Amino acid sequence: GAVVSQHPSWVICKSGTSVKIECRSLDFQATTMFWYRQFPKQSLMLMATSNEGSKATYEQGVEKDKFLINHASLTLSTLTVTSAHPEDSSFYICSAALDALAGELFFGEGSRLTVL
Amino acid sequence: GENVEQHPSTLSVQEGDSAVIKCTYSDSASNYFPWYKQELGKRPQLIIDIRSNVGEKKDQRIAVTLNKTAKHFSLHITETQPEDSAVYFCAASIPWDYKLSFGAGTTVTVRA
Repeated sequence: GAVVSQHPSWVICKSGTSVKIECRSLDFQATTMFWYRQFPKQSLMLMATSNEGSKATYEQGVEKDKFLINHASLTLSTLTVTSAHPEDSSFYICSAALDALAGELFFGEGSRLTVL
Repeated sequence: GENVEQHPSTLSVQEGDSAVIKCTYSDSASNYFPWYKQELGKRPQLIIDIRSNVGEKKDQRIAVTLNKTAKHFSLHITETQPEDSAVYFCAASIPWDYKLSFGAGTTVTVRA
C-alpha cells in the first residue's frame, strides 16, 4: 500500500511559539492531503484540505491564520501551528489519497503536540 | 455535510465471541464506507471498506454490511482475539470527495 510519513512524531513547545509538522507521501504523488486533529478519546476531526499549488480549504471553526497549511509539492504538505497555546495540544494526523477513484485514504503516523 | 453516528461507544466481549459495531450516515450520496482500527497513540489503519454497489464484504474474521435504503452499515468481527482490542472508527465519503466523515469511535475490549 501507499506510505505516508509524518515528522516529527512528537513535539513539546512553549506557549507562543510556532511548530511545523510535515506530511510526506513517500511512494506516490498526492495532489490532495488532509489534516485531522484528534483529542484524547475522541474521533478524528478534519481541519483542512491541502491542495497542491493552491490555498488550503479549512473546515468551519478552524482558524486559517493559526493553522497555516502549505502544499508546495506533490509529496509534501506542512501544517504550522502559529502562536501555540496549551489548548492546541493534540494529536495531528495527515492523510493522502492514492487513487482519485478509490477513495481510500492513507494516514501518517501522527504528530503529538504538547504546548506547555 | 455528512453526519456519521456510531454505536456503541464501548464494547466488551469475551475472547472467541463476536463483536458488532453499527453506523448510520445522513447523506444518501455517500458511496464509500471504510472502517479503521486505531491502537493507542498510533495512526488509524484501514481494516475493511465497502462501496455502495456492494451489500456485504468479508475478509477472514471481519465483515461489513451496508444497507443503502436505511443508510446504515455495520462491522462484524468473529472469533475475537485479544489483539482485536482497539478503537474502531467508521467513516463515509461522497463521490469525488476524499473527505472522510468519521464516527465517534468504539472502544473494543476483548477479555481473555
